[in-house]
Amino acid sequence: DTGVSQDPRHKITKRGQNVTFRCDPISEHNRLYWYRQTLGQGPEFLTYFQNEAQLEKSRLLSDRFSAERPKGSFSTLEIQRTEQGDSAMYLCASSPSSVGDSSYNEQFFGPGTRLTVL
Amino acid sequence: SQKIEQNSEALNIQEGKTATLTCNYTNYSPAYLQWYRQDPGRGPVFLLLIRENEKEKRKERLKVTFDTTLKQSLFHITASQPADSATYLCALDISGDTGRRALTFGSGTRLQVQP
Repeated sequence: DTGVSQDPRHKITKRGQNVTFRCDPISEHNRLYWYRQTLGQGPEFLTYFQNEAQLEKSRLLSDRFSAERPKGSFSTLEIQRTEQGDSAMYLCASSPSSVGDSSYNEQFFGPGTRLTVL
Repeated sequence: SQKIEQNSEALNIQEGKTATLTCNYTNYSPAYLQWYRQDPGRGPVFLLLIRENEKEKRKERLKVTFDTTLKQSLFHITASQPADSATYLCALDISGDTGRRALTFGSGTRLQVQP
């Protein structure tokens, strides 16, 4: 399967615990995005990588959230001291680079990691 | 404030009819607009992209229009089938306005095609 993969698919944790999610993008894609989606809403942007560089972070990404893409391939998203409000689907997407700075290319999404914080 | 609006109420239509979904936005000047399909419990899947200088784009039974004056995009599915039942998301590229390189999504419209 050459699509975007995410692990785990589901995570249940207790409030205050730390969790880490992994995303493996399509291998030739150098752009990687993290989004969060709650029920009845569209995906909300969290952060963006171009290769290994984290170029943008949303205001939604509090200090408890950190993302890395150490070798420009897979990425991890860690949430420290989870809160019930963190319960959501966390989506990863990748896209190839394009001319200029626009998000011209379609984004390929993974299946998501559903987080439930009890 | 900047908003992307899609009809939050589900759209129910009969098989074989044309489904028309609306995406309205305010205070953006997007360079591109994309439509995605999302099935329950799965990530969105890209359907179509239309640029600001294009009025219409087609792909098989799908058609998208983009009116930058009205700040509106319409998404049509002709000869709809029960398998078309899903949530459809509109997404804007607003990098020209904000420098953000990611997409900004609407909340989606759920389409239900009755056999």
